[in-house]
Amino acid sequence: DVKVTQSSRYLVKRTGEKVFLECVQDMDHENMFWYRQDPGLGLRLIYFSYDVKMKEKGDIPEGYSVSREKKERFSLILESASTNQTSMYLCASSFWDLSGLYEQYFGPGTRLTVT
Amino acid sequence: AQSVTQLDSQVPVFEEAPVELRCNYSSSVSVYLFWYVQYPNQGLQLLLKYLSGSTLVKGINGFEAEFNKSQTSFHLRKPSVHISDTAEYFCAVSDLPLKTSYDKVIFGPGTSLSVIP
Repeated sequence: DVKVTQSSRYLVKRTGEKVFLECVQDMDHENMFWYRQDPGLGLRLIYFSYDVKMKEKGDIPEGYSVSREKKERFSLILESASTNQTSMYLCASSFWDLSGLYEQYFGPGTRLTVT
Repeated sequence: AQSVTQLDSQVPVFEEAPVELRCNYSSSVSVYLFWYVQYPNQGLQLLLKYLSGSTLVKGINGFEAEFNKSQTSFHLRKPSVHISDTAEYFCAVSDLPLKTSYDKVIFGPGTSLSVIP
């Protein structure tokens, strides 16, 4: 089974702190994603990576950056946390196939609270 | 750009009753379609997917969905729900072809299914 793990289930940080969320997948998937999930808004894509050191902005990249130095690891960085970044953060991975993109495999999520 | 609509934000249903969760997407030549489930305090897991072939797709936990190209719909159904089906359900769509550029999966806003004993 594909396993996607996230470094923390719950995190509480103060406004202005630099926050690192880490995600690791064990199935050699090319693609990795960071989403935030908010009530009534569903999942919104923050960043996407299709290869090591490659990244693409999603729908809401402002205030976030990412790093992918190794294929299995994708980090989300909040440069200066703000209260409006309080949310559930979900990491996912998927692989390319000759027919196209298959389903994404999700981690358990990190619930971040910024006070 | 592709978009996904889930008309019902909340669906309460009695245990052992049937349920249908609706999903519509904007028109496209070809699409991949998915339903994901999120149990409380957990990440999303795949219920079922439509890539090609038969328009009736069976998934885990007794769920099934029917792809209707003319109505651009992919409704999720279960003939008899259990308390354990209480969860958030997300419909998702991805355009074809993929890989040549950044192609993403678009998620709907979700439907909260509450099964009443």
